[in-house]
Amino acid sequence: DTGVSQNPRHKITKRGQNVTFRCDPISEHNRLYWYRQTLGQGPEFLTYFQNEAQLEKSRLLSDRFSAERPKGSFSTLEIQRTEQGDSAMYLCASSPLDLREYFGPGTRLTVT
Amino acid sequence: GESVGLHLPTLSVQEGDNSIINCAYSNSASDYFIWYKQESGKGPQFIIDIRSNMDKRQGQRVTVLLNKTVKHLSLQIAATQPGDSAVYFCAEKGDGNKLVFGAGTILRVKS
Repeated sequence: DTGVSQNPRHKITKRGQNVTFRCDPISEHNRLYWYRQTLGQGPEFLTYFQNEAQLEKSRLLSDRFSAERPKGSFSTLEIQRTEQGDSAMYLCASSPLDLREYFGPGTRLTVT
Repeated sequence: GESVGLHLPTLSVQEGDNSIINCAYSNSASDYFIWYKQESGKGPQFIIDIRSNMDKRQGQRVTVLLNKTVKHLSLQIAATQPGDSAVYFCAEKGDGNKLVFGAGTILRVKS
């Protein structure tokens, strides 16, 4: 257990609905990352925070996606107007100021 | 863009044998590499990492080798056990702070 927790673990939603996922990183880790993983593929970077500042966003992160880390601790990832193509595992990782990232268990999203 | 090339092959090994999983990367500016293990329904689990100023690093039963000349990374697992069965990913960091993953290798351990 790396100490990164994610909630919920599974989410089934209908197309067009909004969903929000939460990530609690390892305590005192400055950096927090969001990735998306589809079946048979490696995780793809979405965005990352250093403390409360969002420093980089992937082109994968469309206008329907927004991430926050308001107090530099937990983070939320919201997807508005979900589409079937959003179905994936959403992974959160955290790291101290070195390079190693520790992943949580992920939230599996199914859009019907 | 740059990518780590790993096209989901499957490696089957007998319990007790050594396993070698290979990975090619394309970004010569990458200076940090990690191997992760992922079991079904779980997040990637850190195994071992290596910086570009090294060519070998050893952990418990695992060794990572880095050949920068041919941009090749390998993970060696000694005395493979059934619990080692999983998907293994290599990942790199170069410009910026994000990990770039390949597609993974499935390791199956036969008892």
